[in-house]
Amino acid sequence: EVQLVESGGGLVKPGGSLRLSCAASGFTFSVFNMNWVRQAPGKGLEWVASLSTSDRYIYYADSVKGRFTISRDNANNSLYLQMSSLRAEDTAVYYCAKGPRASHFDSWGQGTLVTVSS
Amino acid sequence: DIQMTQSPSTLSASVGDRVTITCRASQSISSWLAWYQHKPGKAPQLLIYKASTLESGVPSRFSGSGSGTEFSLTITSLQPDDFATYYCQQYNRYWTFGQGTKVEIK
Repeated sequence: EVQLVESGGGLVKPGGSLRLSCAASGFTFSVFNMNWVRQAPGKGLEWVASLSTSDRYIYYADSVKGRFTISRDNANNSLYLQMSSLRAEDTAVYYCAKGPRASHFDSWGQGTLVTVSS
Repeated sequence: DIQMTQSPSTLSASVGDRVTITCRASQSISSWLAWYQHKPGKAPQLLIYKASTLESGVPSRFSGSGSGTEFSLTITSLQPDDFATYYCQQYNRYWTFGQGTKVEIK
């Protein structure tokens, strides 16, 4: 069974940093593209970042470019999102999701909440 | 950037109803469109990809159609478990979600 479990969320002050992790199991992690998507309170889904299988392609939404860094550790079946210069508008539930190539997202985790507030 | 516009934003329906949600892209995305179901506190679930391909394990009452800029998701005979928010997503160029359609009990 595919499992994606996010962790690392919490309360952080504006301007601070946080690192999210996503532990993957139940599939061959190294052959899938991995993605982060977020949902702000009362809002819809927003794509954040995507990373191809061998780190060849990395894409970011304009709203996080230059502040967030997506990375992966294929040996440990883990995906990461390093977030810096956090703003109140980054407050959201962050989901990791897998997908075949640069395509749809076929499995998602249950999310981890990030709150940016003083 | 490609913008995705869903309609309606909210849909009130009863069990057994046929419902249709539409999604419009700001430019042609061929058939590179997916549909997701999302319930509060749960992981979003893929329903349809490539505009009309049903994801494995998804009930056949869900179907998708369209290409280019106009797409739709249809649920025939709405079931109690179907009350949720539905999102379209384009993946022709990067990824963009529609704003969501909440299907609520009438």
